[in-house]
Amino acid sequence: SQELEQSPQSLIVQEGKNLTINCTSSKTLYGLYWYKQKYGEGLIFLMMLQKGGEEKSHEKITAKLDEKKQQSSLHITASQPSHAGIYLCGAVKNAGGTSYGKLTFGQGTILTVHP
Amino acid sequence: GAVVSQHPSRVICKSGTSVKIECRSLDFQATTMFWYRQFPKQSLMLMATSNEGSKATYEQGVEKDKFLINHASLTLSTLTVTSAHPEDSSFYICSAVLTGVPFFGPGTRLTVL
Repeated sequence: SQELEQSPQSLIVQEGKNLTINCTSSKTLYGLYWYKQKYGEGLIFLMMLQKGGEEKSHEKITAKLDEKKQQSSLHITASQPSHAGIYLCGAVKNAGGTSYGKLTFGQGTILTVHP
Repeated sequence: GAVVSQHPSRVICKSGTSVKIECRSLDFQATTMFWYRQFPKQSLMLMATSNEGSKATYEQGVEKDKFLINHASLTLSTLTVTSAHPEDSSFYICSAVLTGVPFFGPGTRLTVL
């Protein structure tokens, strides 16, 4: 099975600071998704990466997938208190077909942003 | 806006009773839906794949007789926790794929007393 390791496990930053969360896989990633979760709530979709070297941005969040498709990073620029939450990377368990819904998740990164 | 809904958002029940959780895809058809469980301070674990018109497939270690899944229509999957016990208390979340992206419901917090 695919193991996803996220680092750091938790992160406390001052508002306005940049930060990076990493997600490393033991196997090639066929699809990598980043989600944000607030405790006790559902997951909010942030970004999907599929191709090696791919990079996507939305507002102040940028996600990258390395060329070997085994590591992804999520970078937040000029963090705000609204960015606080749990960030989860999820990877497709198997290639193709209906497997796109079967995700393995990292353990999550808890982000706290102090005003 | 939300593309997947769940009901109820939270439920408290007595040990030994059964609880049904609904997952609906909003404005799109989902022949396949997915059920996950999340214990406190832990990540999500896939429990099973719900298939419209056929039996659900369960991940290793998940009891199919304990967690009954019915995919009644192209927009509705239900998870029934049968004879619930305190160790079944958890956060249950479903997902459905739309344009290649798994979207998740808001989750259901189950507490078994």
